[in-house]
Amino acid sequence: SQQGEEDPQALSIQEGENATMNCSYKTSINNLQWYRQNSGRGLVHLILIRSNEREKHSGRLRVTLDTSKKSSSLLITASRAADTASYFCATDGKAGGSEKLVFGKGMKLTVNP
Amino acid sequence: EAGVAQSPRYKIIEKRQSVAFWCNPISGHATLYWYQQILGQGPKLLIQFQNNGVVDDSQLPKDRFSAERLKGVDSTLKIQPAKLEDSAVYLCASSLIGTSGRDRFFGPGTRLTVL
Repeated sequence: SQQGEEDPQALSIQEGENATMNCSYKTSINNLQWYRQNSGRGLVHLILIRSNEREKHSGRLRVTLDTSKKSSSLLITASRAADTASYFCATDGKAGGSEKLVFGKGMKLTVNP
Repeated sequence: EAGVAQSPRYKIIEKRQSVAFWCNPISGHATLYWYQQILGQGPKLLIQFQNNGVVDDSQLPKDRFSAERLKGVDSTLKIQPAKLEDSAVYLCASSLIGTSGRDRFFGPGTRLTVL
């Protein structure tokens, strides 16, 4: 079953603008991660935020986590055409003794040059 | 460092046929995962191996899907017989033991089309 739900499902912006993607989830988590998937490629890990963290930065990426609302947001600043991809949030929690990484449905970002 | 290798990259078969996918993880990675990604959805874990043992196969349709990792390195995922709803991208990923998420590396996937 898929836990994360990204919002919006698709976003189209101009190069240089900021892109914000939201993710909501349902159960308790150890951490939440964001991945990028370019068309026809595998997933690339972008950033991980632990359940006891509220905000994290990595380059042009900023992730926030609100465990009380069970939601996270990914902000990409000064977007580039190369940021065009699908973005997935994934929650990481212990279930049945194995480490389960549960992905959302993803959000398609298009950055127009 | 070489990434996770998968083959074939594309496969088209008719329903009721059999198909097998191969994955070679990053050297030294003890944990190997197979995911199914249906168009428009996020990846769903099918099976997780730790070395050559199965850790989690709760979402693997065992009546038609099977996977093995005999020597704790390469892995194969088989579907027999295939159904139309098996059309998807099958992603293999690997990680070191005990790591969480950030060190999970994905291969490019095998796109399966079942006609």
